[in-house]
Amino acid sequence: NAGVTQTPKFRVLKTGQSMTLLCAQDMNHEYMYWYRQDPGMGLRLIHYSVGEGTTAKGEVPDGYNVSRLKKQNFLLGLESAAPSQTSVYFCASNPHRTGVGEQYFGPGTRLTVT
Amino acid sequence: GNSVTQMEGPVTLSEEAFLTINCTYTATGYPSLFWYVQYPGEGLQLLLKATKADDKGSNKGFEATYRKETTSFHLEKGSVQVSDSAVYFCALSDASGGSYIPTFGRGTSLIVHP
Repeated sequence: NAGVTQTPKFRVLKTGQSMTLLCAQDMNHEYMYWYRQDPGMGLRLIHYSVGEGTTAKGEVPDGYNVSRLKKQNFLLGLESAAPSQTSVYFCASNPHRTGVGEQYFGPGTRLTVT
Repeated sequence: GNSVTQMEGPVTLSEEAFLTINCTYTATGYPSLFWYVQYPGEGLQLLLKATKADDKGSNKGFEATYRKETTSFHLEKGSVQVSDSAVYFCALSDASGGSYIPTFGRGTSLIVHP
């Protein structure tokens, strides 16, 4: 199993550009999450999904959109990037039916918006 | 709502010293508790967990005991190594109230000197 993978690993965008971050998991997990990690702020939840075709807002959803068209993939989109979105983005998945349990994290995507 | 509080870092120790990182929580139900570790440039990975009161989670020489009476889950290791230098996150997962979202502490950086 590859576990949770994220592409790309690094990206530099100019303000106003758009991009999509891809998260893929091969463990048949129901729950998937997108977080951002900033110095001194810990992890902040952007959006999450409790199953194929479902998405929900987390703590900091503004400026981001997500889609979960296939169970194994969870996409995070930035329609018009802003410097405040410079961060490290982590995807995670959870195998438990109720969402209670350990999370499996991807290696992260480091995004810089200039 | 749920919350997790960890001691602020960085925690700086010499090799072979004893480590304690404090973690306390508030939860509405009966949560599962976790410690994750993040090595530089990587995603978080599960270090240990405990699912009910008085359970002790252990892995790689690290231990933490689920203390319901003090709502704590302190991480300990008897003799740290330079390779333990990382950021440690305490987290809880609680399905009561239909929440699918785990709660993370802000992380504690550990630096171990030779």
